[in-house]
Amino acid sequence: DAKTTQPNSMESNEEEPVHLPCNHSTISGTDYIHWYRQLPSQGPEYVIHGLTSNVNNRMASLAIAEDRKSSTLILHRATLRDAAVYYCILRDYGGSEKLVFGKGTKLTVNP
Amino acid sequence: AAGVIQSPRHLIKEKRETATLKCYPIPRHDTVYWYQQGPGQDPQFLISFYEKMQSDKGSIPDRFSAQQFSDYHSELNMSSLELGDSALYFCASSPGGASWADTQYFGPGTRLTVL
Repeated sequence: DAKTTQPNSMESNEEEPVHLPCNHSTISGTDYIHWYRQLPSQGPEYVIHGLTSNVNNRMASLAIAEDRKSSTLILHRATLRDAAVYYCILRDYGGSEKLVFGKGTKLTVNP
Repeated sequence: AAGVIQSPRHLIKEKRETATLKCYPIPRHDTVYWYQQGPGQDPQFLISFYEKMQSDKGSIPDRFSAQQFSDYHSELNMSSLELGDSALYFCASSPGGASWADTQYFGPGTRLTVL
């Protein structure tokens, strides 16, 4: 499984945008970039995924670098409910369906 | 909307005892995954099933076994429990048959404490 690198922790203020980076320099052409988050005392939750183009959904946006060696999860207006550990995960097309969780980023949102 | 159901939510066992964790996937989801999350750790994949057949296996101890039944619910059986088995156990389900792209929907977890 390709490796991802994320900062251990980040802080944000409520109602401000948050940019969570992820480096995946060894990404292959068939790796999709998935983001999950885990709120305190809950199971992980899907956020977004993409391959090459930037993606938007109701929860967040995913910006993917042109060389695909990095990506950024964007929360447009952080709320207290967004405080969680965010995981960037690569999933190979046609490969195993399991999620391989690395060391995610713990996001703290200040009121 | 219906979510993944796990039971029990909390379980306390003694060393060397056995435990059975149950998972009820979202209706019409045919794939189930089990993950283990130790204290302060990230979730680790244990095993998965698609259409009642084991589809992938991770770092699951030989003392653990699991299966998926005809109604798609799954059970994780853990024997000869050790202190190190104390963890949160998450079940996740997805539709469409074990695909890399499918979103996995996680349950609330079962907290197992081994004394």
